[in-house]
Amino acid sequence: DQQVKQNSPSLSVQEGRISILNCDYTNSMFDYFLWYKKYPAEGPTFLISISSIKDKNEDGRFTVFLNKSAKHLSLHIVPSQPGDSAVYFCAATNTGNQFYFGTGTSLTVIP
Amino acid sequence: DSGVTQTPKHLITATGQRVTLRCSPRSGDLSVYWYQQSLDQGLQFLIQYYNGEERAKGNILERFSAQQFPDLHSELNLSSLELGDSALYFCASSASPEETQYFGPGTRLLVL
Repeated sequence: DQQVKQNSPSLSVQEGRISILNCDYTNSMFDYFLWYKKYPAEGPTFLISISSIKDKNEDGRFTVFLNKSAKHLSLHIVPSQPGDSAVYFCAATNTGNQFYFGTGTSLTVIP
Repeated sequence: DSGVTQTPKHLITATGQRVTLRCSPRSGDLSVYWYQQSLDQGLQFLIQYYNGEERAKGNILERFSAQQFPDLHSELNLSSLELGDSALYFCASSASPEETQYFGPGTRLLVL
């Protein structure tokens, strides 16, 4: 049972434009959400997180939006850079319990 | 570099065999997690340890087992290996179960 879903396996964006990666979840008990970035041959690295008490968290070029009523979160990257090309995983947890990961979206930023 | 180390980096073995994957968490982290990533799949949570004790169990097969030692390093044992066990196995650690996980580089297992 996939509790966290990333329905877009891949996304291509022109350099300088906005990249929007989407994630849906089914468990209303999740209260903490994270995005991880993964380059080939490396482990995932933490990118940004958001607590369920917020609807937006920003860190430089990266912003995560949370819509609890829709059980949806998104990651915005502005402006996109070629170095952002990677696989992005969203994850969710009910704090202190198991983390659930999506299947990932492969982002390609075209120079 | 996340500070989490995993050995070996690559492992090739045959069906029916048994292997042990090792993970050393970041200094000071008490929680260790194991994940499996098969081709075109997301990260599947296997098991979590906190300060030596099993805390949560996910989709871990009975052929698989893990433990966390007093020095906090962890081992994942995979036995009676099947072709479908070929995957990337990641270890992650965090200071506590509520905090962000930091991932190791993974062990790529190929079962022939």
